[in-house]
Amino acid sequence: AQSVTQLDSQVPVFEEAPVELRCNYSSSVSVYLFWYVQYPNQGLQLLLKYLSGSTLVESINGFEAEFNKSQTSFHLRKPSVHISDTAEYFCAVSERMDSSYKLIFGSGTRLLVRP
Amino acid sequence: KAGVTQTPRYLIKTRGQQVTLSCSPISGHRSVSWYQQTPGQGLQFLFEYFSETQRNKGNFPGRFSGRQFSNSRSEMNVSTLELGDSALYLCASQIGTTPSGEQFFGPGTRLTVL
Repeated sequence: AQSVTQLDSQVPVFEEAPVELRCNYSSSVSVYLFWYVQYPNQGLQLLLKYLSGSTLVESINGFEAEFNKSQTSFHLRKPSVHISDTAEYFCAVSERMDSSYKLIFGSGTRLLVRP
Repeated sequence: KAGVTQTPRYLIKTRGQQVTLSCSPISGHRSVSWYQQTPGQGLQFLFEYFSETQRNKGNFPGRFSGRQFSNSRSEMNVSTLELGDSALYLCASQIGTTPSGEQFFGPGTRLTVL
């Protein structure tokens, strides 16, 4: 079974500073990788995903993630964070189960942006 | 286009009771998955339904069950509630069943078991 590791449970950062949220996965086969964001009292929203092709994927709100096969990593970065980026971020990998797929999530990283 | 809706949003039950949670997927989405989110265990897959059939089930006891109706709406049921069942239950819908497909999540139902 696949697994996803997010080593940092919380990342405090000042507004306008850069941030990196780390994610490592266990699979050695082709993977589909996702970053989801969860704001307080809300469900999860897809931030970005890696399916194939370019190893650098970007979201519409300034986040980007780089797929690194040799290091089995999919770290999320943003060059300058805003207060509104305060949320919990989950890295996930798609795993095949019989006739369909399920998402395997990491434990989450709480990004806390301070003014 | 309306998003995934879940009812109720909050629920308080006592041990031993049973509960039913409802999920209405995005129109046209035929796959519905359920996840349990707790501070200790994080997000864990419960089960997935597609065209009224349960296709996959996570590692949860038989007290957790679900079903899907012909309009793709889904319900999950938890019988003989335990304190450890307190969690946020998230429903996600997807058009099909590809590994690259985006799952759209509802706001969740927060269940508190006293």
